[in-house]
Amino acid sequence: EAQVTQNPRYLITVTGKKLTVTCSQNMNHEYMSWYRQDPGLGLRQIYYSMNVEVTDKGDVPEGYKVSRKEKRNFPLILESPSPNQTSLYFCASSFFQGNDEQFFGPGTRLTVL
Amino acid sequence: GESVGLHLPTLSVQEGDNSIINCAYSNSASDYFIWYKQESGKGPQFIIDIRSNMDKRQGQRVTVLLNKTVKHLSLQIAATQPGDSAVYFCAETPTGNQFYFGTGTSLTVIP
Repeated sequence: EAQVTQNPRYLITVTGKKLTVTCSQNMNHEYMSWYRQDPGLGLRQIYYSMNVEVTDKGDVPEGYKVSRKEKRNFPLILESPSPNQTSLYFCASSFFQGNDEQFFGPGTRLTVL
Repeated sequence: GESVGLHLPTLSVQEGDNSIINCAYSNSASDYFIWYKQESGKGPQFIIDIRSNMDKRQGQRVTVLLNKTVKHLSLQIAATQPGDSAVYFCAETPTGNQFYFGTGTSLTVIP
C-alpha cells in the first residue's frame, strides 16, 4: 500500500531531551516536507527536501533539523525540545517538487513538558 | 511571511445542499493552489488543485474557482454528504517547494 508513515505517533518528552521523529514513504517520491499544525494557525512548513541531500528551510525552521540521506526517509530532529514545540507534526511527500499532490502521513502528536 | 486566510472558521450545511468554502491569499506570485480535507485524527488529504493559468477546475462533486484579480480561491462541494464533514484547508505556493496553508474551515453537514 502506498503510504507515508511516521513514528512515533505520540510522544511526551521533557525540555532539552533530543528526539527524532521518523518519516518514510514507499512511493519513490522526490519531494518531502515537514509541517506543524497548531490550533488557529493551520499548517506551517518547517523544512522540505527536493531530493536526496537537498533540504531547505520552510516558514518555521527554528529549533528543528532534518536530513535526507535516502530518498524514502526524511527524519525530523529536535536537538533540544522546548514547550513551544508541543504540536501535531505531519510529514508529506509528492512525486516531483511540490507542484503535485502531496500525500500526508498520519501525524505525530508531540508534547514537551 | 505569507498570509492565507479563510473567510469563515465554521460552516454548517444541510445534507444535499451545496457548500462553498472561501479562501483569500496574499502572494500574487503564487501559481499553484490546493484544497485539502482533514478528518478528525487524520492527516490532510488532497481534494483538488488549480494552477494560475486556469480560473476553474472541476472534479467529482467539487469545483475550485480562482480569481487572481482579488486573490481569492473557493471550493464548491455539490450535494454535500455527511462524509464531507471535516476541516478544509487551502494552500498556495509561489515556488512549488514552499507552501502556505490557511487556518481551515470546519464543515459540518447536518443530516
